[in-house]
Amino acid sequence: EDQVTQSPEALRLQEGESSSLNCSYTVSGLRGLFWYRQDPGKGPEFLFTLYSAGEEKEKERLKATLTKKESFLHITAPKPEDSATYLCAVPNFGNEKLTFGTGTRLTIIP
Amino acid sequence: DSGVTQTPKHLITATGQRVTLRCSPRSGDLSVYWYQQSLDQGLQFLIQYYNGEERAKGNILERFSAQQFPDLHSELNLSSLELGDSALYFCASSVAGRSTGELFFGEGSRLTVL
Repeated sequence: EDQVTQSPEALRLQEGESSSLNCSYTVSGLRGLFWYRQDPGKGPEFLFTLYSAGEEKEKERLKATLTKKESFLHITAPKPEDSATYLCAVPNFGNEKLTFGTGTRLTIIP
Repeated sequence: DSGVTQTPKHLITATGQRVTLRCSPRSGDLSVYWYQQSLDQGLQFLIQYYNGEERAKGNILERFSAQQFPDLHSELNLSSLELGDSALYFCASSVAGRSTGELFFGEGSRLTVL
């Protein structure tokens, strides 16, 4: 069964302090890895799709990278509005469902 | 705004009761997915419908059922409720029958069972 593990569970950073979030996965065959952002009381919001090792995607202060065993979400010079829970997910073989990690709760302190 | 609408936003009920959660997908999306999010388990896939037909089933309890209607809205029915069913229930939609990973989630229905 597909497994996704995210670390750390929670991360507090000062505004402008860059860091990385980790998502490690165990799947029978990678069919993509997805990052979502979830604000308190809201549904997850899609950020990135990565399909192959070495691939990178960027959006504002976020950059997602992928290796054969894990993905990183790098956040550069974060702002308080980047505070959220970041989730990663992998699709099952038939691509009907996503298996999500439990997320990293990121807090950016002004 | 994702374009996915869920009602009700909050629901408080007692054990043994039955509730219905409703979801309207984004305009043009044919697939609807239901996910349950609890504090200890994260987001768990329950079930998917595509154009009115059940496409995939996850860890959905027998006490739970869903359907997708001809106008593509979906309902999730939860019966014989237990304390452990308290959670956020999310609906998501996508255009295709198979997920590309880009799902559009509603804001969820928070169910509290007392």
